[in-house]
Amino acid sequence: QVQLVQSGAEVKKPGDSVRISCKAFGYTFTTYWLHWVRQAPGQGPEWMGIIFTNGGSTTYAQNFQGRVTMTRDTSTSTGYMELRGLRSEDTAVYYCAREINFEWALWGQGTPVTVSS
Amino acid sequence: QTVVTQEPSLTVSPGGTVTLTCASSTGAVASGYHPNWLQQKPGQVPRLLIYSTNKKQSWTPARFSGSLLGGKAALTLSGAQPEDEAEYFCLLLDGGAWFFGGGTKLTVL
Repeated sequence: QVQLVQSGAEVKKPGDSVRISCKAFGYTFTTYWLHWVRQAPGQGPEWMGIIFTNGGSTTYAQNFQGRVTMTRDTSTSTGYMELRGLRSEDTAVYYCAREINFEWALWGQGTPVTVSS
Repeated sequence: QTVVTQEPSLTVSPGGTVTLTCASSTGAVASGYHPNWLQQKPGQVPRLLIYSTNKKQSWTPARFSGSLLGGKAALTLSGAQPEDEAEYFCLLLDGGAWFFGGGTKLTVL
């Protein structure tokens, strides 16, 4: 079955880092780009960046540059997103989503991240 | 940084027609912005309805259509059903980055 399966919920303290995984099933991982998006409670989604899964190059949204790193492991068809220097405003559900030819058709189930002291 | 603006809320009667719009702070939305429209119901993952202005997914009901209208991307719902009550987000590509709108909460009443 074609799906993206993300790692489980995280609870972090301010200043911590979080690393979320996104494992692809049922399709060739490197055929599609992988985006990361977050959605704070009651808010619209926010694009964090993209990793081009074939070569591994990345583009990050301006709001996250210097604080986010996206990587992938093609041997396990898994993408990773690490966000550093967490603050309470980073509390959100984090999603991975695959895209090809501007079509965002498949999303992971979401990973809730709570940042609280 | 691009700001994408949608109507915060709209109401449509069952069987009625409504158009949701999506504007960019950088200018008129054109096909090169590749507008995507996603539907999200409470507690659920966003689900793609429309991409690249007007292309549908296999699961997109025929009553949904996408277009460009007056310099904005538009999502038209013709023949609204109770199950269409949801939040709708547009997504635009601008200068190599993607930007989400704030969403339109659609009530079917």
